[in-house]
Amino acid sequence: GENVEQHPSTLSVQEGDSAVIKCTYSDSASNYFPWYKQELGKRPQLIIDIRSNVGEKKDQRIAVTLNKTAKHFSLHITETQPEDSAVYFCAARVSGAGSYQLTFGKGTKLSVIP
Amino acid sequence: DAGITQSPRHKVTETGTPVTLRCHQTENHRYMYWYRQDPGHGLRLIHYSYGVKDTDKGEVSDGYSVSRSKTEDFLLTLESATSSQTSVYFCAIRDLDTQYFGPGTRLLVL
Repeated sequence: GENVEQHPSTLSVQEGDSAVIKCTYSDSASNYFPWYKQELGKRPQLIIDIRSNVGEKKDQRIAVTLNKTAKHFSLHITETQPEDSAVYFCAARVSGAGSYQLTFGKGTKLSVIP
Repeated sequence: DAGITQSPRHKVTETGTPVTLRCHQTENHRYMYWYRQDPGHGLRLIHYSYGVKDTDKGEVSDGYSVSRSKTEDFLLTLESATSSQTSVYFCAIRDLDTQYFGPGTRLLVL
């Protein structure tokens, strides 16, 4: 089955700096890659996603890039703010899988230092 | 929040007792999922459903069973709870490509 590796597991940045979280996946048939943000004690919430026919997608301060050849995708947060502090999860879904199952990375705890 | 609720939100139980967690959705989504979340493991799929009475196993299904008798309800049962099942349990629904999560149930097995 699909395997998703996520790095780093923890990340500390100064407010205003950029943060980058990287994920690699194993199944070349994966075609959908969402990112979730989970604040302490809350549910994971989708913040951005990308499909395999697109190389990059942006939404304000957040962007995701996808390299299908290398089988990795990354989350970029610019001009970080204290409210960006949370755990971020990447995920991948294999095309054609009837379950529409997502395989998640183990998460990155981002701390933005004021 | 995609109209998803979970009950109970918190539960403390003893080893060996049965426990049932409920996920309820109001938007008629066909696919529903149960995950557990543990430190260092991220989100792991327990079981999922693709319609009424249609369910299948996920990555960590041992010790769990599920039922879906109505589109809106997906039940997760721990037949005989063990301390290793102490976790936070999230239900999710699929809407197009994306999964949306319920608020979670925090379960402590003593």
